Amino acid sequence: GAGVSQSPRYKVAKRGQDVALRCDPISGHVSLFWYQQALGQGPEFLTYFQNEAQLDKSGLPSDRFFAERPEGSVSTLKIQRTQQEDSAVYLCASSRSPPYEQYFGPGTRLTVT
Amino acid sequence: AQTVTQSQPEMSVQEAETVTLSCTYDTSESDYYLFWYKQPPSRQMILVIRQEAYKQQNATENRFSVNFQKAAKSFSLKISDSQLGDAAMYFCAYRSKGSQGNLIFGKGTKLSVKP
Repeated sequence: GAGVSQSPRYKVAKRGQDVALRCDPISGHVSLFWYQQALGQGPEFLTYFQNEAQLDKSGLPSDRFFAERPEGSVSTLKIQRTQQEDSAVYLCASSRSPPYEQYFGPGTRLTVT
Repeated sequence: AQTVTQSQPEMSVQEAETVTLSCTYDTSESDYYLFWYKQPPSRQMILVIRQEAYKQQNATENRFSVNFQKAAKSFSLKISDSQLGDAAMYFCAYRSKGSQGNLIFGKGTKLSVKP
């Protein structure tokens, strides 16, 4: 079946704009993760969903970051009033449930100018 | 808190040769998972190999194998018979066994393969 998809693949935002990043997980995958990968760094955990429930948002860097997964499938990561430090690749991953393998999407590269 | 350290920002290997990528981690937990992920320039992260801490036997997947030293908290990846397609960023990652599953990554090692 299809893998994890993310859209858009690239996004350029002016500082202060709001952005929304979409993740389509593999069908039937219960768990969904968002990670932020700054240039030259490893991915860092942002938030975790089990079905529609957001069980962990401890990695969200500020209250400008918000994620949702209302029907337990597609997820959206929203960043309000973007700042330059938000520039990064945002990765989404899904899995059936722990301890199963996480499958990653191609990421969305966000550039804030 | 757990941490993962990859001390080699870049490595290079000749095609058909063997290369070893290093990873150390810090944890107070006794049971956990360790992973090596490959991220080619297209950026889609792919799982290379997984090791469960309670298993003493080192994991192997075709040309990829690990040297897991639990007491030393070391988890190195050996790539045998390197191929041009192995060129990528390699990330070592840790996951607590009892956790929801989020991964803790190292900073990565960029592997180049010379023809």
